[in-house]
Amino acid sequence: NAGVTQTPKFQVLKTGQSMTLQCAQDMNHNSMYWYRQDPGMGLRLIYYSASEGTTDKGEVPNGYNVSRLNKREFSLRLESAAPSQTSVYFCASSEPGGGKGPADTQYFGPGTRLTVL
Amino acid sequence: QKEVEQNSGPLSVPEGAIASLNCTYSDRGSQSFFWYRQYSGKSPELIMFIYSNGDKEDGRFTAQLNKASQYVSLLIRDSQPSDSATYLCAVMPSGGYQKVTFGTGTKLQVIP
Repeated sequence: NAGVTQTPKFQVLKTGQSMTLQCAQDMNHNSMYWYRQDPGMGLRLIYYSASEGTTDKGEVPNGYNVSRLNKREFSLRLESAAPSQTSVYFCASSEPGGGKGPADTQYFGPGTRLTVL
Repeated sequence: QKEVEQNSGPLSVPEGAIASLNCTYSDRGSQSFFWYRQYSGKSPELIMFIYSNGDKEDGRFTAQLNKASQYVSLLIRDSQPSDSATYLCAVMPSGGYQKVTFGTGTKLQVIP
């Protein structure tokens, strides 16, 4: 049981390059999320997917696209990377419990450290 | 006003002392509250969750919730150097079960 896995762990891009961050979970969770974490800014939600086939914008979606490939996989794409997208990216998953219990806990992957030059 | 506010710290406490971490939130209808611990260079992991007013204890950790004051706290008793980490407060808003908002975190340093 690997939990939430992310690839790659590290990536360096040049401005204007594109890339896709991969995320997979084996906990049979319906909901998946992509966050970015910057110093002093905390975790900010980029996109989330409440269930297979649905995606919604979070707090900072500009410059990103997502695909919920199936129940297990949720990818994040940077079409034209910019230095402002240098960050640590975390994928997470949860099984919504209606706001009353531990089922709303989000489980995080190990993160992808992205640098855009 | 930020939706979830935490003092960034660092909060320094001696080993064996009680560490008190605080969080305030702006959405009065928020339903569930979480404390995550994040070691440097690692991903966040859940420490505690609480959704009813009052105290909830789990080992050395106690979460306290006061919805009237829009305030949630985490107490760590008998603090250990291994507790040194950043603690993130997360709030689940009313009506948006998936869109949890995280605070910026409080860095805790436990001095041996």
